[in-house]
Amino acid sequence: SQQGEEDPQALSIQEGENATMNCSYKTSINNLQWYRQNSGRGLVHLILIRSNEREKHSGRLRVTLDTSKKSSSLLITASRAADTASYFCATDALTDKLIFGTGTRLQVFP
Amino acid sequence: DAGVTQSPTHLIKTRGQQVTLRCSPKSGHDTVSWYQQALGQEPQFIFQYYEEEERQRGNFPDRFSGHQFPNYSSELNVNALLLGDSALYLCASSLRWNYNEQFFGPGTRLTVL
Repeated sequence: SQQGEEDPQALSIQEGENATMNCSYKTSINNLQWYRQNSGRGLVHLILIRSNEREKHSGRLRVTLDTSKKSSSLLITASRAADTASYFCATDALTDKLIFGTGTRLQVFP
Repeated sequence: DAGVTQSPTHLIKTRGQQVTLRCSPKSGHDTVSWYQQALGQEPQFIFQYYEEEERQRGNFPDRFSGHQFPNYSSELNVNALLLGDSALYLCASSLRWNYNEQFFGPGTRLTVL
């Protein structure tokens, strides 16, 4: 990837469990975003965290950002089968284009 | 409030042909970005249009070109199609002053045979 990696590449969990995905990037950023993509469809914006923020919450989502380590994590709590999707982090690398990570494929079993 | 729309949904072309994909941005948005997403890969930035001009470009050959119209809608053209051009093409719209919030369309699935 131009910007970074996501870990794990794939994750399978049971409903009700928490899912954690990690993203590492290479350059300085203004902000980092997380997107969700259902099987080959468009990207849905989940949450944006700015470079001067360390943690952000939105419903069952919790995002952290560590600019010193150039890394971010996305936590989905109490997962549901409907959370099954691919999750991508995206950074701006101080530009106005998005550079995506390699993605994590999440499978939540009922 | 209409979101980002793209047409067509699916397209099958033959190597060497040319293709045009279309995107209408979210109401009120003035900036359109295009991304290519190969199967199983992350989206890759192709280029961005604002005020009817290409403002930024990713690492794509000149076979990829675009256009933005006065109503902010946009076209992506690909000439001399290669098998490797098979991908999901995503359009994202935003406001120039708030480019971080990009709203994506459902994409156009292009298959090159």
